[in-house]
Amino acid sequence: GQQVMQIPQYQHVQEGEDFTTYCNSSTTLSNIQWYKQRPGGHPVFLIQLVKSGEVKKQKRLTFQFGEAKKNSSLHITATQTTDVGTYFCAGHGAAGNKLTFGGGTRVLVKP
Amino acid sequence: DAGITQSPRHKVTETGTPVTLRCHQTENHRYMYWYRQDPGHGLRLIHYSYGVKDTDKGEVSDGYSVSRSKTEDFLLTLESATSSQTSVYFCAISGAGANQPQHFGDGTRLSIL
Repeated sequence: GQQVMQIPQYQHVQEGEDFTTYCNSSTTLSNIQWYKQRPGGHPVFLIQLVKSGEVKKQKRLTFQFGEAKKNSSLHITATQTTDVGTYFCAGHGAAGNKLTFGGGTRVLVKP
Repeated sequence: DAGITQSPRHKVTETGTPVTLRCHQTENHRYMYWYRQDPGHGLRLIHYSYGVKDTDKGEVSDGYSVSRSKTEDFLLTLESATSSQTSVYFCAISGAGANQPQHFGDGTRLSIL
């Protein structure tokens, strides 16, 4: 079945620095979604990418969808303590009715 | 936040007992999902529903059953709970299409001793 892998599993970042987390799927995706889960909270939808090569920005967050629609990345610039949490990518396969989540990247910010 | 309520929020029970978790939505969304979240595994789909009385299995459905008799309620049942089912369970809903963003409830922390 479809598998989605995320790296790194953990990311320790100095406040103010940039970092990137990567998402790779074993199969071509119809879309990729990103979610953020704060400690003790529930996943919250951030963004969806649909087109090959698509790039979207939300303030300091930049999301990319690969040309082959099998990978994605999230880049955060000037990390802040409010960025703490676990970031999940998730993708729908061709059938479109099941969302497969990656294992997440847990982000810890050092002030 | 979307109108999703999970109950109970916490539960401790013993191996072999039946357990039912409830997800209630006020958004009139067609799709509802049950996930479990365990360290190192992210979120894994247990079962989902695409309408009243219409359900299908996810990747980790063994040991779980679901029912949806009304649009607003989606029940997850562990017929005979095992320690391996200790987890945090999240319900999610999505709107017009199956590939739309999902909105999650606050979760149920289930411990099976």
